Amino acid sequence: GDSVTQMEGPVTLSEEAFLTINCTYTATGYPSLFWYVQYPGEGLQLLLKATKADDKGSNKGFEATYRKETTSFHLEKGSVQVSDSAVYFCALEANTGGFKTIFGAGTRLFVKA
Amino acid sequence: NAGVTQTPKFQVLKTGQSMTLQCAQDMNHEYMSWYRQDPGMGLRLIHYSVGAGITDQGEVPNGYNVSRSTTEDFPLRLLSAAPSQTSVYFCASRRQGDGPLHFGNGTRLTVT
Repeated sequence: GDSVTQMEGPVTLSEEAFLTINCTYTATGYPSLFWYVQYPGEGLQLLLKATKADDKGSNKGFEATYRKETTSFHLEKGSVQVSDSAVYFCALEANTGGFKTIFGAGTRLFVKA
Repeated sequence: NAGVTQTPKFQVLKTGQSMTLQCAQDMNHEYMSWYRQDPGMGLRLIHYSVGAGITDQGEVPNGYNVSRSTTEDFPLRLLSAAPSQTSVYFCASRRQGDGPLHFGNGTRLTVT
């Protein structure tokens, strides 16, 4: 079945460092891909999305490119801030079977001042 | 603009007790779903619904029941709680066929 694999955390970075969180997926067809972010005590909220191959999603300095050939959707940011500390989830929305959304295990990011 | 509202925020149950987690959305979304979040396992889909009167199972449906009598509400029922159901539960909704998901703030459930 469909699945999402993302790098284990926690990831600890200093402020202004470069961030990469790896995400790969397995799916039939052509799913939409998402990154969600969860701040402490809150539900998840959408960070960015891409709906087809070679699309680049971007928001708040974060970027991810839908790579069909490598089935990947890695999250990047050029310069992280303390306020970026959160848990990041990669997800896919299948285009079959009720359009379910499947999540990866999440990667916790700590950014130190 | 309330979005997705979950109640209660916290709940403690004894093994064998039953309860209903409430979820309501005011965005007229056709699709609603329940997830549980456990450390190291991300979010796992319990049940979902693509419209009133239609529900289906997700990855981990055992021990949970759902119904969808209206577009707005999607309650999750635990008929006989077990310690393995200790978790944080999230309800989420979206327009059918068009992401993203909108999440509630979660219900933290402890079963002793």
